[in-house]
Amino acid sequence: EPEVTQTPSHQVTQMGQEVILRCVPISNHLYFYWYRQILGQKVEFLVSFYNNEISEKSEIFDDQFSVERPDGSNFTLKIRSTKLEDSAMYFCASRRGEGNSPLHFGNGTRLTVT
Amino acid sequence: AQSVTQLDSQVPVFEEAPVELRCNYSSSVSVYLFWYVQYPNQGLQLLLKYLSGSTLVKGINGFEAEFNKSQTSFHLRKPSVHISDTAEYFCAVSRGSGGYQKVTFGTGTKLQVIP
Repeated sequence: EPEVTQTPSHQVTQMGQEVILRCVPISNHLYFYWYRQILGQKVEFLVSFYNNEISEKSEIFDDQFSVERPDGSNFTLKIRSTKLEDSAMYFCASRRGEGNSPLHFGNGTRLTVT
Repeated sequence: AQSVTQLDSQVPVFEEAPVELRCNYSSSVSVYLFWYVQYPNQGLQLLLKYLSGSTLVKGINGFEAEFNKSQTSFHLRKPSVHISDTAEYFCAVSRGSGGYQKVTFGTGTKLQVIP
């Protein structure tokens, strides 16, 4: 069964550094998402992406965040200047298209900002 | 806006006993409902979904959930749990139209199965 893959599984970075989290969604999916989960807390929506543009973003997704689909397969989340509070598990997800199609999640990237 | 409430943050249960994990939602429009499971150090895996039709939905690993529109609930049940069911379970809701609609998650319920 096709999967959403995320790399790296764990990223350690220093405060103020830029970080790029990478995702390869399922190939025939059209909608892409980033979620994050701070340790012990709920899964929070960051951004949705369709047709090469952002469809919706949350208050968390400020100017420090950006997303890109540079080619036909990768979907990246960039944090320009990381803060301690950006430490979390970041999940990429994709869905085929219809409103009733479920999200398929990757295994996440654990970002640790020191 | 849509929201999901999972009242129980942790549920301990003995092995082979039944379990119910509660979920209530609110939305001004029709919704699709999901349960996801997260095993330790892993991503989120779809357990089951309610889209329309029969209100009793069966999922993987012997889980089922019942959609109750009048009570705006979507509780998850399993008649006999196994040690391997120890995980965190998230109820989620999505609005009923538009492929880009975000999914909103509840705060999660940690199921601990006791041998």
